[in-house]
Amino acid sequence: DAEITQSPRHKITETGRQVTLACHQTWNHNNMFWYRQDLGHGLRLIHYSYGVQDTNKGEVSDGYSVSRSNTEDLPLTLESAASSQTSVYFCASSEGLGNEQFFGPGTRLTVL
Amino acid sequence: GENVEQHPSTLSVQEGDSAVIKCTYSDSASNYFPWYKQELGKGPQLIIDIRSNVGEKKDQRIAVTLNKTAKHFSLHITETQPEDSAVYFCAAITNDYKLSFGAGTTVTVRA
Repeated sequence: DAEITQSPRHKITETGRQVTLACHQTWNHNNMFWYRQDLGHGLRLIHYSYGVQDTNKGEVSDGYSVSRSNTEDLPLTLESAASSQTSVYFCASSEGLGNEQFFGPGTRLTVL
Repeated sequence: GENVEQHPSTLSVQEGDSAVIKCTYSDSASNYFPWYKQELGKGPQLIIDIRSNVGEKKDQRIAVTLNKTAKHFSLHITETQPEDSAVYFCAAITNDYKLSFGAGTTVTVRA
């Protein structure tokens, strides 16, 4: 069955380190999204991509970057991790614009 | 950009009773409104959605209503069951096809 996976599921890192969170989908969806989830804020969009080589900033993109070299993967990089980036991160994908987004299981990141 | 507000933030209901969650949005151009359910330790999952050319949509015990004039939409769960306990998010699509989410409602169904 097609699916969307994230790795690692849990990560503890130190302030200032570079961290990369992986997202992989097997639906062949063009659209992929990264969100962070914090209590009281719901899901906030970090970066998104509408196809290979396309990346766009969301509402909370500072300190994060993404790259899209193929359809299946959209890795999220924290260039220099900060304690404010402690959160749960969700990746999602969709087939078309304005259609259902399918979410991965999430990555819980703790920055000490 | 789009701003979605969701109320209440927590909701406790007796098993068998109904639950209602309300959301408002700011961008009159928004035309797609999904609702997601998130169980503990999992990613959000779509449970129902509505487009702006429809005023109401129903799927078994779940229904969503949309009032475009007032810019608000609501989720109704009837005959609540313990498995309905979860966090529910409303969302509205922006004019560049991004979803803007509400802050979430934690629903607890008491046995």
